[in-house]
Amino acid sequence: QKEVEQNSGPLSVPEGAIASLNCTYSDRVSQSFFWYRQYSGKSPELIMSIYSNGDKEDGRFTAQLNKASQYVSLLIRDSQPSDSATYLCAVGRNNNDMRFGAGTRLTVKP
Amino acid sequence: ETGVTQSPTHLIKTRGQQVTLRCSSQSGHNTVSWYQQALGQGPQFIFQYYREEENGRGNFPPRFSGLQFPNYSSELNVNALELDDSALYLCASSPGGRETQYFGPGTRLLVL
Repeated sequence: QKEVEQNSGPLSVPEGAIASLNCTYSDRVSQSFFWYRQYSGKSPELIMSIYSNGDKEDGRFTAQLNKASQYVSLLIRDSQPSDSATYLCAVGRNNNDMRFGAGTRLTVKP
Repeated sequence: ETGVTQSPTHLIKTRGQQVTLRCSSQSGHNTVSWYQQALGQGPQFIFQYYREEENGRGNFPPRFSGLQFPNYSSELNVNALELDDSALYLCASSPGGRETQYFGPGTRLLVL
């Protein structure tokens, strides 16, 4: 079992729709959770961080965390073609060791 | 722009050679982490430096080594390069070991 698992996709949604990205993790002591966006050929850029159970909203993005289910998700509302990228889920364990999933490739079609 | 810089941007080496990659952290950040990202994969944690000391290491062999300097910039050294070392090497800085990490643009290494 991989430490951080994501659906590799590709996930395709029409412009204006909601994109839902999911991530599960195996280490119950994980304390911090992050979503990064990575455009092709570029480095990851931070979208959201979340540390407590529940929802956290920032603009069109909402991160959801359920530690009991070891599950974290990212919702993108009103998806735009510029949101087309690979989305990486990252999980911080003892705070100096961040583990990434392989990423979900999202395509938003005009 | 995160304020994290890396050099060089691209590098070509041959098997068996040694390479040094450099990273300047964002102002105010004392922690630097290094990651290796192979094509189609997520970044893999190599190690982290906090105030010039190694503060955690991933599952990489000893030929991957590093340094952090008093100004918190950092180097990643890889000896005896292998073909599988071809990857994007990412540096990320944070205000502390427990804080959110911000990535530099990366160095793309090709080993022939």
